[in-house]
Amino acid sequence: AQSVAQPEDQVNVAEGNPLTVKCTYSVSGNPYLFWYVQYPNRGLQFLLKYITGDNLVKGSYGFEAEFNKSQTSFHLKKPSALVSDSALYFCAVRPRRGSSYKLIFGSGTRLLVRP
Amino acid sequence: GAGVSQSPSNKVTEKGKDVELRCDPISGHTALYWYRQSLGQGLEFLIYFQGNSAPDKSGLPSDRFSAERTGGSVSTLTIQRTQQEDSAVYLCASSLAGETGELFFGEGSRLTVL
Repeated sequence: AQSVAQPEDQVNVAEGNPLTVKCTYSVSGNPYLFWYVQYPNRGLQFLLKYITGDNLVKGSYGFEAEFNKSQTSFHLKKPSALVSDSALYFCAVRPRRGSSYKLIFGSGTRLLVRP
Repeated sequence: GAGVSQSPSNKVTEKGKDVELRCDPISGHTALYWYRQSLGQGLEFLIYFQGNSAPDKSGLPSDRFSAERTGGSVSTLTIQRTQQEDSAVYLCASSLAGETGELFFGEGSRLTVL
């Protein structure tokens, strides 16, 4: 079965410190990979995606993510966290094969950045 | 508007009633998705429309749930004989055609079944 795992329900980090939000997937082939963010009382917003090429992808708000094929992971990172980064983060995958382009989401990780 | 619009933003209904949730996607987006987000849960895929192709209904949890998309634009998600476990935020998203396109989400419709 195709699935996405976000092993941490919550990640706590101090402002100014680097942050990592983990994501692993179980999808055949090389899927397309995405990160979305949901701020309080707001809809989900696209952050970044991996399609092909360089394993390090840069996205909005200073976030980046590293694709690791051997570990089937796509961890979200940021060198220096801001309090305003506190939100709910979702990893998502879309298989490259098949007739449906549905996006499969993980359970989400809440990021809390303390001042 | 420029974004995905959903209505109503909040709906409170009694168990057993039918509800309709509406989604107006971004103009020109041929793909439309419905997801469900329950409290403390991730996003559960419900249904996907792409142009004139047959929709992917593989995520609909029961035959009480149905959705249609008229004229390739507005979509309506209908839940018949609502149950308390249907309480959730129902999210609609649209995207351009193609498998690499990102989704643009609406603010969601919060459904509470009493």
